[in-house]
Amino acid sequence: DVKVTQSSRYLVKRTGEKVFLECVQDMDHENMFWYRQDPGLGLRLIYFSYDVKMKEKGDIPEGYSVSREKKERFSLILESASTNQTSMYLCASSFKRESYEQYFGPGTRLTVT
Amino acid sequence: GQQLNQSPQSMFIQEGEDVSMNCTSSSIFNTWLWYKQDPGEGPVLLIALYKAGELTSNGRLTAQFGITRKDSFLNISASIPSDVGIYFCAGQLDGNQFYFGTGTSLTVIP
Repeated sequence: DVKVTQSSRYLVKRTGEKVFLECVQDMDHENMFWYRQDPGLGLRLIYFSYDVKMKEKGDIPEGYSVSREKKERFSLILESASTNQTSMYLCASSFKRESYEQYFGPGTRLTVT
Repeated sequence: GQQLNQSPQSMFIQEGEDVSMNCTSSSIFNTWLWYKQDPGEGPVLLIALYKAGELTSNGRLTAQFGITRKDSFLNISASIPSDVGIYFCAGQLDGNQFYFGTGTSLTVIP
């Protein structure tokens, strides 16, 4: 079974803090994605990556950056957390560029106070 | 980004009832997917649709790729308590990016 794990299920941070969300997949998938999920808005793509050291902006990249130093790991970074970044963050991976099925992690619920 | 509108936003139904939900877009999509998210978990793929008019079933679930390629429908027959969750549609234009709908929250009352 594909397993996508996220470093924390719940996280509380203060405004202005630097926040790291880690995601690891164990199936040698090429593609990895970060989404945020908000009620009434569904899932919105923040960043994605097709390969190591490669990244592309999604629909809402402002205030976020990412890092992919190893194929299995994709990190989402909030350089200076703000209250409007309070959300559920979901990581996903898929086998290769043209694959349609994404496998999701359980999510990290981030609260910024 | 693309906007996918799902309706209804939420549903409260009795166990055993059938459920219908749909997803519409202003853009033409090449692929439609339906995911389910259980409480406290990430979404899991239920059904994938690849061409206009396609009708695909997965157990009690049936989904259709609309003829116009701008919409998709999901039906659940004879609902059971474990059907509770949020259902998301997702559409793919070109490339690998999928756009997700706003979600339909389903509650099944035993």
